[in-house]
Amino acid sequence: ETGVTQTPRHLVMGMTNKKSLKCEQHLGHNAMYWYKQSAKKPLELMFVYSLEERVENNSVPSRFSPECPNSSHLFLHLHTLQPEDSALYLCASSQDWSTGELFFGEGSRLTVL
Amino acid sequence: GENVEQHPSTLSVQEGDSAVIKCTYSDSASNYFPWYKQELGKRPQLIIDIRSNVGEKKDQRIAVTLNKTAKHFSLHITETQPEDSAVYFCAASLYGQNFVFGPGTRLSVLP
Repeated sequence: ETGVTQTPRHLVMGMTNKKSLKCEQHLGHNAMYWYKQSAKKPLELMFVYSLEERVENNSVPSRFSPECPNSSHLFLHLHTLQPEDSALYLCASSQDWSTGELFFGEGSRLTVL
Repeated sequence: GENVEQHPSTLSVQEGDSAVIKCTYSDSASNYFPWYKQELGKRPQLIIDIRSNVGEKKDQRIAVTLNKTAKHFSLHITETQPEDSAVYFCAASLYGQNFVFGPGTRLSVLP
């Protein structure tokens, strides 16, 4: 596999569940990102990791917990979510935090019941 | 912080016509402006970008112009084709960090 892959592609969970989204990049990049894409809203940056260190956290509720065990993998742990958290969650990577192009995954479509 | 506005939200053009999408940004320090295309059910992909030391950049049928004084930049697509139908997002950032995206423009190219 090449590029940025995300699993699962679709996830339905109740408000009391705990689940995780996984992202893997095969590009040798040093920076990874989580974005939230909701209908009719701009892409919202949630978290940035550069060289496995979190460098940005845009006031995201604590029910979203990121984890970056190495430069190729990024997780988003989800617990006690709300229905308004239903969205497409996109992972992206870039060569470095200050390098322009973002390479996105296909996204994980999350539905919270 | 940075704020990016994008217009129009939807745009329909006849095949072969040109399409123009405009974005404005608020932070004069921003110096990198990419455009991403997202086809239905697909991932966003970079199609063109421009840095603040350049006023215009072209790549085949796609061009981007930047007016730093007015803090706006535009995407121009000429000779549109059905495969150009997608949602287009502009973004602004400082040195490629922490992109702020516009809300997107849904372009429909009618045959």
